[in-house]
Amino acid sequence: ILNVEQSPQSLHVQEGDSTNFTCSFPSSNFYALHWYRWETAKSPEALFVMTLNGDEKKKGRISATLNTKEGYSYLYIKGSQPEDSATYLCAFTVATYNTDKLIFGTGTRLQVFP
Amino acid sequence: DARVTQTPRDKVTEMGQEVTMRCQPILGHNTVFWYRQTMMQGLELLAYFRNRAPLDDSGMPKDRFSAEMPDATLATLKIQPSEPRDSAVYFCASGLGGGGADGYTFGSGTRLTVV
Repeated sequence: ILNVEQSPQSLHVQEGDSTNFTCSFPSSNFYALHWYRWETAKSPEALFVMTLNGDEKKKGRISATLNTKEGYSYLYIKGSQPEDSATYLCAFTVATYNTDKLIFGTGTRLQVFP
Repeated sequence: DARVTQTPRDKVTEMGQEVTMRCQPILGHNTVFWYRQTMMQGLELLAYFRNRAPLDDSGMPKDRFSAEMPDATLATLKIQPSEPRDSAVYFCASGLGGGGADGYTFGSGTRLTVV
């Protein structure tokens, strides 16, 4: 069974705090790791796609790292703002003929208080 | 901005009725997914297509659900007969195959309520 675990399940921080969450996935047959941002009542929006061990991606105050050997990825938000409040989903794909098949975790719900 | 279009946005139907949800993927995208948002499992994969061919529908209840891509600009998800437990938001997403190097683009979803 291919499982993606995300922690914590939810997080409440003050504006200006930096925060990070974890995504754990099976390391065998790894192909790609995706991060998505999902605001309430909207649709998930792609943040990053990473494929290589040691990959680091950055978009503004948000960055992500990838360790395919041990099967985890971290998402960091520096200086959280109320508009960062959302659920952050990670998903991975495996290196089979179904390389597109995205398996999602249940997400980390972030709430940033002013 | 290119977008994935889903219709209808909201659908309320009575138990036992047939429901058809439609998705127009972004032009040029060859991979299309159907996901269902559930409280317990987040985004549950129902089916996906590559170049219009169904590659995996193992997450879909086969007795009542069916997914098709009659052409490259339309994907459909049908429930017949619908049941109250099917009430959820159904998302379609599209992208370029091969793992989605740029990520996948989601539609706004169809909120289905079966009463």
